[in-house]
Amino acid sequence: GENVEQHPSTLSVQEGDSAVIKCTYSDSASNYFPWYKQELGKRPQLIIDIRSNVGEKKDQRIAVTLNKTAKHFSLHITETQPEDSAVYFCAASANDYKLSFGAGTTVTVRA
Amino acid sequence: GAVVSQHPSRVICKSGTSVKIECRSLDFQATTMFWYRQFPKQSLMLMATSNEGSKATYEQGVEKDKFLINHASLTLSTLTVTSAHPEDSSFYICSAKYPIEQFFGPGTRLTVL
Repeated sequence: GENVEQHPSTLSVQEGDSAVIKCTYSDSASNYFPWYKQELGKRPQLIIDIRSNVGEKKDQRIAVTLNKTAKHFSLHITETQPEDSAVYFCAASANDYKLSFGAGTTVTVRA
Repeated sequence: GAVVSQHPSRVICKSGTSVKIECRSLDFQATTMFWYRQFPKQSLMLMATSNEGSKATYEQGVEKDKFLINHASLTLSTLTVTSAHPEDSSFYICSAKYPIEQFFGPGTRLTVL
């Protein structure tokens, strides 16, 4: 099955700086890569996703890059704000079926 | 649109009892729903895939006789934790697929005493 690895497990950044989270996946059939933000005790919220037919996608301060050859994808958050503090999960799936999640990254933005 | 609800949001039960958790898609029909379990400070682990009108598909290591899943309609899937024990205490989250994106429910915090 699919194995998704995520690094780092924790990330502390100064407000205004950038945050980068990296994930790798094992199944070459995976073609959908969403990123979720989860606040304590709440549901995961989709913040951005990318499909295998593109290499990069951006939505305001958030961007995701995908390298299919190397089987890795990354989340970039620029101009971080205190409200960006949360746990972020990457995930991968093949043909829009079940998701395999990374272990999560706890991001803390210091004011 | 694409709202998923779960009920109850929190439940405390005694060891040995069974607990039913409902997952509903409120404004769309979902032929496929997923059930996850999340322990504190850990990731979401897929337990099973629930398909309307057919048997659920369980992930390796998940006991199908302990975690009963019923997807009786296009808007409702239920997870019953049978003979619950303290080690079953966790955050249970469902998601519904529509049309290709997964929308998550708010989760159910289960505490087994």
